[in-house]
Amino acid sequence: QKEVEQNSGPLSVPEGAIASLNCTYSDRGSQSFFWYRQYSGKSPELIMFIYSNGDKEDGRFTAQLNKASQYVSLLIRDSQPSDSATYLCAVNSNTNAGKSTFGDGTTLTVKP
Amino acid sequence: GAVVSQHPSRVICKSGTSVKIECRSLDFQATTMFWYRQFPKQSLMLMATSNEGSKATYEQGVEKDKFLINHASLTLSTLTVTSAHPEDSSFYICSASFSGVDYEQYFGPGTRLTVT
Repeated sequence: QKEVEQNSGPLSVPEGAIASLNCTYSDRGSQSFFWYRQYSGKSPELIMFIYSNGDKEDGRFTAQLNKASQYVSLLIRDSQPSDSATYLCAVNSNTNAGKSTFGDGTTLTVKP
Repeated sequence: GAVVSQHPSRVICKSGTSVKIECRSLDFQATTMFWYRQFPKQSLMLMATSNEGSKATYEQGVEKDKFLINHASLTLSTLTVTSAHPEDSSFYICSASFSGVDYEQYFGPGTRLTVT
Protein backbone atom coordinates (compact mmCIF):
# COMPACT_ATOMS: atom_id res chain seq x y z
CA GLN A 1 0.00 0.00 0.00
CA LYS A 2 1.33 3.41 -0.94
CA GLU A 3 1.71 5.96 1.82
CA VAL A 4 -0.36 8.51 -0.07
CA GLU A 5 -2.88 7.29 -2.59
CA GLN A 6 -4.78 9.19 -5.23
CA ASN A 7 -6.91 8.08 -8.12
CA SER A 8 -4.77 8.63 -11.19
CA GLY A 9 -7.74 9.62 -13.30
CA PRO A 10 -8.15 11.09 -15.69
CA LEU A 11 -11.05 12.87 -14.08
CA SER A 12 -13.13 14.75 -16.58
CA VAL A 13 -15.74 17.36 -15.65
CA PRO A 14 -17.64 19.91 -17.71
CA GLU A 15 -16.88 23.57 -17.32
CA GLY A 16 -18.75 25.07 -14.38
CA ALA A 17 -19.08 21.78 -12.51
CA ILE A 18 -17.53 20.81 -9.20
CA ALA A 19 -14.40 18.69 -9.43
CA SER A 20 -13.72 16.45 -6.45
CA LEU A 21 -10.23 15.10 -5.88
CA ASN A 22 -9.53 12.58 -3.16
CA CYS A 23 -6.46 11.43 -1.30
CA THR A 24 -5.92 8.85 1.43
CA TYR A 25 -2.83 8.42 3.59
CA SER A 26 -1.56 5.63 5.76
CA ASP A 27 0.48 7.38 8.46
CA ARG A 28 -1.78 8.29 11.39
CA GLY A 29 0.96 10.60 12.66
CA SER A 30 0.50 12.87 9.66
CA GLN A 31 0.00 16.46 10.70
CA SER A 32 -0.13 18.69 7.67
CA PHE A 33 -1.63 18.24 4.27
CA PHE A 34 -1.08 20.04 1.01
CA TRP A 35 -2.54 20.25 -2.45
CA TYR A 36 -0.31 21.21 -5.36
CA ARG A 37 -1.25 21.79 -8.96
CA GLN A 38 1.12 20.83 -11.77
CA TYR A 39 0.56 21.85 -15.35
CA SER A 40 2.13 19.67 -18.01
CA GLY A 41 5.82 20.44 -18.35
CA LYS A 42 5.84 22.75 -15.34
CA SER A 43 6.77 22.39 -11.70
CA PRO A 44 4.16 22.04 -8.94
CA GLU A 45 2.61 25.08 -7.31
CA LEU A 46 0.97 25.18 -3.91
CA ILE A 47 -2.80 25.61 -3.93
CA MET A 48 -3.81 24.96 -0.36
CA PHE A 49 -2.71 23.50 2.92
CA ILE A 50 -4.79 22.24 5.81
CA TYR A 51 -3.85 21.14 9.30
CA SER A 52 -7.13 20.73 11.18
CA ASN A 53 -10.13 18.52 10.64
CA GLY A 54 -12.89 20.14 8.68
CA ASP A 55 -13.10 22.39 5.69
CA LYS A 56 -10.88 25.21 4.56
CA GLU A 57 -12.00 27.45 1.76
CA ASP A 58 -9.96 29.69 -0.51
CA GLY A 59 -11.82 31.16 -3.44
CA ARG A 60 -13.09 28.35 -5.64
CA PHE A 61 -11.05 25.77 -3.74
CA THR A 62 -12.08 23.89 -0.61
CA ALA A 63 -9.84 21.44 1.17
CA GLN A 64 -11.46 18.90 3.46
CA LEU A 65 -9.61 16.88 6.07
CA ASN A 66 -10.81 13.90 8.06
CA LYS A 67 -8.01 12.53 10.18
CA ALA A 68 -10.10 9.72 11.66
CA SER A 69 -10.74 8.36 8.18
CA GLN A 70 -7.31 9.40 6.95
CA TYR A 71 -8.43 11.22 3.90
CA VAL A 72 -8.11 14.67 2.49
CA SER A 73 -9.96 16.04 -0.49
CA LEU A 74 -9.95 19.07 -2.73
CA LEU A 75 -13.09 20.51 -4.24
CA ILE A 76 -12.90 22.91 -7.13
CA ARG A 77 -16.10 24.83 -7.70
CA ASP A 78 -17.06 26.38 -11.02
CA SER A 79 -14.31 24.43 -12.76
CA GLN A 80 -12.59 26.19 -15.62
CA PRO A 81 -10.56 24.77 -18.53
CA SER A 82 -7.54 26.48 -16.94
CA ASP A 83 -7.95 24.14 -13.97
CA SER A 84 -6.97 21.22 -16.21
CA ALA A 85 -3.78 19.90 -14.63
CA THR A 86 -2.44 17.17 -12.40
CA TYR A 87 -3.23 17.67 -8.72
CA LEU A 88 -0.78 16.32 -6.19
CA CYS A 89 -1.67 15.52 -2.62
CA ALA A 90 1.20 15.76 -0.13
CA VAL A 91 1.41 14.81 3.52
CA ASN A 92 3.92 15.76 6.23
CA SER A 93 4.44 13.92 9.48
CA ASN A 94 6.63 14.62 12.47
CA THR A 95 8.51 11.40 11.83
CA ASN A 96 9.61 12.44 8.37
CA ALA A 97 11.98 15.31 9.05
CA GLY A 98 9.75 17.81 7.30
CA LYS A 99 9.69 15.88 4.04
CA SER A 100 6.45 15.66 2.16
CA THR A 101 5.20 12.34 0.88
CA PHE A 102 3.50 12.92 -2.44
CA GLY A 103 0.78 10.95 -4.10
CA ASP A 104 1.14 10.16 -7.79
CA GLY A 105 -1.41 12.80 -8.68
CA THR A 106 -4.85 12.96 -10.27
CA THR A 107 -5.15 14.35 -13.76
CA LEU A 108 -8.13 16.65 -14.14
CA THR A 109 -9.57 17.71 -17.46
CA VAL A 110 -12.22 20.43 -17.56
CA LYS A 111 -14.09 20.37 -20.85
CA PRO A 112 -15.51 23.62 -22.25
CA GLY B 1 6.21 36.00 -1.48
CA ALA B 2 7.97 32.62 -1.27
CA VAL B 3 9.60 32.67 -4.68
CA VAL B 4 12.14 30.05 -5.68
CA SER B 5 14.28 30.33 -8.77
CA GLN B 6 16.27 27.72 -10.62
CA HIS B 7 19.03 28.14 -13.12
CA PRO B 8 19.39 27.07 -15.84
CA SER B 9 15.87 26.32 -16.98
CA ARG B 10 17.11 24.09 -19.75
CA VAL B 11 20.50 22.51 -20.42
CA ILE B 12 21.87 20.15 -23.02
CA CYS B 13 25.19 18.51 -22.33
CA LYS B 14 27.32 15.75 -23.71
CA SER B 15 27.64 12.39 -22.06
CA GLY B 16 30.42 12.35 -19.49
CA THR B 17 30.27 16.01 -18.59
CA SER B 18 29.00 17.53 -15.37
CA VAL B 19 26.13 19.94 -14.96
CA LYS B 20 25.40 22.25 -12.05
CA ILE B 21 21.88 23.42 -11.24
CA GLU B 22 21.27 26.30 -8.84
CA CYS B 23 18.23 26.73 -6.64
CA ARG B 24 17.64 30.02 -4.85
CA SER B 25 14.99 31.20 -2.46
CA LEU B 26 14.53 34.84 -3.43
CA ASP B 27 12.50 36.33 -0.63
CA PHE B 28 12.89 34.04 2.33
CA GLN B 29 15.50 32.01 4.12
CA ALA B 30 15.08 28.35 3.34
CA THR B 31 16.35 26.14 6.10
CA THR B 32 15.57 23.09 4.03
CA MET B 33 15.67 22.50 0.32
CA PHE B 34 14.59 19.40 -1.54
CA TRP B 35 15.66 18.06 -4.88
CA TYR B 36 13.29 16.06 -7.05
CA ARG B 37 13.47 14.34 -10.39
CA GLN B 38 10.52 13.73 -12.64
CA PHE B 39 10.42 11.64 -15.79
CA PRO B 40 7.70 12.29 -18.39
CA LYS B 41 4.23 11.33 -17.21
CA GLN B 42 5.61 10.03 -13.92
CA SER B 43 5.32 11.28 -10.39
CA LEU B 44 7.82 13.38 -8.47
CA MET B 45 10.70 11.41 -7.06
CA LEU B 46 12.51 12.89 -4.08
CA MET B 47 16.24 12.61 -4.53
CA ALA B 48 17.60 14.32 -1.43
CA THR B 49 16.91 16.70 1.42
CA SER B 50 19.36 19.49 1.95
CA ASN B 51 19.80 21.51 5.13
CA GLU B 52 21.97 24.59 5.26
CA GLY B 53 25.43 23.88 6.54
CA SER B 54 25.10 20.13 6.71
CA LYS B 55 25.40 17.17 4.39
CA ALA B 56 22.44 16.28 2.26
CA THR B 57 20.33 13.26 3.08
CA TYR B 58 19.82 11.11 0.02
CA GLU B 59 16.88 8.84 -0.64
CA GLN B 60 17.45 5.16 -1.10
CA GLY B 61 18.80 4.33 -4.51
CA VAL B 62 20.13 7.81 -5.27
CA GLU B 63 23.88 7.86 -5.78
CA LYS B 64 25.34 10.60 -3.63
CA ASP B 65 28.62 10.59 -5.55
CA LYS B 66 26.78 11.17 -8.79
CA PHE B 67 24.35 13.79 -7.57
CA LEU B 68 26.35 16.23 -5.48
CA ILE B 69 24.33 18.61 -3.37
CA ASN B 70 25.69 21.67 -1.64
CA HIS B 71 23.59 23.94 0.56
CA ALA B 72 26.04 26.69 1.30
CA SER B 73 23.64 29.35 2.51
CA LEU B 74 20.05 29.82 3.57
CA THR B 75 19.14 30.95 0.08
CA LEU B 76 21.19 28.73 -2.21
CA SER B 77 21.46 25.03 -2.88
CA THR B 78 23.17 23.45 -5.86
CA LEU B 79 22.83 20.05 -7.50
CA THR B 80 25.69 18.83 -9.64
CA VAL B 81 25.08 15.87 -11.91
CA THR B 82 28.51 14.39 -12.40
CA SER B 83 29.53 12.36 -15.45
CA ALA B 84 26.05 12.68 -16.87
CA HIS B 85 24.64 9.96 -19.09
CA PRO B 86 21.57 9.90 -21.32
CA GLU B 87 19.58 8.08 -18.63
CA ASP B 88 20.08 11.13 -16.39
CA SER B 89 18.00 13.19 -18.80
CA SER B 90 15.03 14.35 -16.78
CA PHE B 91 13.21 17.30 -15.25
CA TYR B 92 14.97 18.34 -12.04
CA ILE B 93 12.98 20.42 -9.60
CA CYS B 94 14.03 21.98 -6.34
CA SER B 95 11.80 23.19 -3.56
CA ALA B 96 12.42 25.24 -0.46
CA SER B 97 10.80 25.17 2.91
CA PHE B 98 10.91 27.25 6.05
CA SER B 99 11.57 23.93 7.80
CA GLY B 100 9.48 22.25 10.40
CA VAL B 101 6.76 19.71 9.99
CA ASP B 102 3.95 22.07 9.11
CA TYR B 103 5.66 24.04 6.45
CA GLU B 104 4.70 23.83 2.83
CA GLN B 105 7.22 23.60 0.04
CA TYR B 106 7.69 26.23 -2.65
CA PHE B 107 8.92 24.84 -5.91
CA GLY B 108 11.36 26.28 -8.38
CA PRO B 109 10.39 26.26 -12.07
CA GLY B 110 12.54 23.23 -12.79
CA THR B 111 15.51 22.44 -15.00
CA ARG B 112 15.14 20.24 -18.02
CA LEU B 113 18.35 18.30 -18.55
CA THR B 114 19.10 16.53 -21.80
CA VAL B 115 22.24 14.45 -22.06
CA THR B 116 23.30 13.56 -25.59
